[in-house]
Amino acid sequence: AQKVTQAQTEISVVEKEDVTLDCVYETRDTTYYLFWYKQPPSGELVFLIRRNSFDEQNEISGRYSWNFQKSTSSFNFTITASQVVDSAVYFCALVVSGSARQLTFGSGTQLTVLP
Amino acid sequence: KAGVTQTPRYLIKTRGQQVTLSCSPISGHRSVSWYQQTPGQGLQFLFEYFSETQRNKGNFPGRFSGRQFSNSRSEMNVSTLELGDSALYLCASSLAPVEGANEKLFFGSGTQLSVL
Repeated sequence: AQKVTQAQTEISVVEKEDVTLDCVYETRDTTYYLFWYKQPPSGELVFLIRRNSFDEQNEISGRYSWNFQKSTSSFNFTITASQVVDSAVYFCALVVSGSARQLTFGSGTQLTVLP
Repeated sequence: KAGVTQTPRYLIKTRGQQVTLSCSPISGHRSVSWYQQTPGQGLQFLFEYFSETQRNKGNFPGRFSGRQFSNSRSEMNVSTLELGDSALYLCASSLAPVEGANEKLFFGSGTQLSVL
């Protein structure tokens, strides 16, 4: 069985601060995919990134960056120079090969960016 | 290109009733998945449909069912509603060019179901 742990339930930062959201996963499969989704108050989950288990290269997209470390089973997400619009719930998720769309989600981290 | 559309946005039912939720995927997407989101259990996978066939099912009782039509639109049904069924029900679609492919999911805004 798969498991995703987001130990940070809520994080509050002041605008322009950097913030890192932690994600730790468990799986026995060697082929899997990791995702980050953002859920604003409107409810829909917005896709941010997908990473497969064979690609440990870190990725940067604008103010967002992701650090994937198989050795520690972690897939952390950093927002640089946070903005009020970044306030949302962020979910980390895992899917193993062959399970297609059956994602296992973490419990989410509520990020509040204060002006 | 229109996103994933879920109707209705809000729904209030009483215990014992049944409810049907609708999901229209992004045009061209063949896979539709359903998730339940509650404060206590978080996001949990319900089931997935691909080309009108249920391919995967989560750990939910038989009261939860679904179907997919030839145009890829999907409905999910919950019979004999219980208080614990109150949740945000999210639908997600994906291209699924190859069965089993792990491409990203596009989610709708959900249907907020309240059972009184």
